Amino acid sequence: QVQLQESGPGLVKPSGTLSLTCAVSGGSISSSNWWSWIRQPPGKGLEWIGEIYHSGSTNYNPSLKSRVTISVDKSKNQFSLKLSSVTAADTAVYYCARRSLITMVLNWFDPWGQGTLVTVSS
Amino acid sequence: DIQMTQSPSSLSASVGDRVTITCRASQSISSYLNWYQQKPGKAPKLLIYAASSLQSGVPSRFSGSGSGTDFTLTISSLQPEDFATYYCQQSYSTAGFGQGTKLEIK
Repeated sequence: QVQLQESGPGLVKPSGTLSLTCAVSGGSISSSNWWSWIRQPPGKGLEWIGEIYHSGSTNYNPSLKSRVTISVDKSKNQFSLKLSSVTAADTAVYYCARRSLITMVLNWFDPWGQGTLVTVSS
Repeated sequence: DIQMTQSPSSLSASVGDRVTITCRASQSISSYLNWYQQKPGKAPKLLIYAASSLQSGVPSRFSGSGSGTDFTLTISSLQPEDFATYYCQQSYSTAGFGQGTKLEIK
């Protein structure tokens, strides 16, 4: 079955850029699904950041759009997140997830990666 | 944006209890509503999709219902492993989650 694994630095300096990669195994990133990033600040709820299709099409949360870039590397079967100009408010566990797509409105997040904590601090 | 509001925010219950968690959307989302379970230090796990369809491998004591703006997740007989935080999520438009309901042992 498909498995996802996040990787990247656990500590980022304020005003810097957060960069994470999600490796997809057990399936192709070129399948008919969207590949998403979701975050969860410590002790808080879930926030969808954005997503990418294997064609390179993207959708972003409007509240983060100006700072987010999601890209895909089909040759490595992985996708990546860059979040610029980070502050302490961006400290969170970052998850990658597959948005399993039946239709554009009938879909769900499954599976998820295990998550990686990124702390923004000097 | 569609806002998702869960109630209650927290809930204390005992093993064997029947528990219901409610999720309300700020506008109609038909049946495009999913439920997730999250245990401490773990990623969320899909329980219910399309309001009432049970994800493969999820125990039948979990059920979902509703359409339009009002939805419920019911656990028919709480088991020790069910104490967790539950989130609803709408897929009708840009993905949005409820704020979560923490289910604790009484």
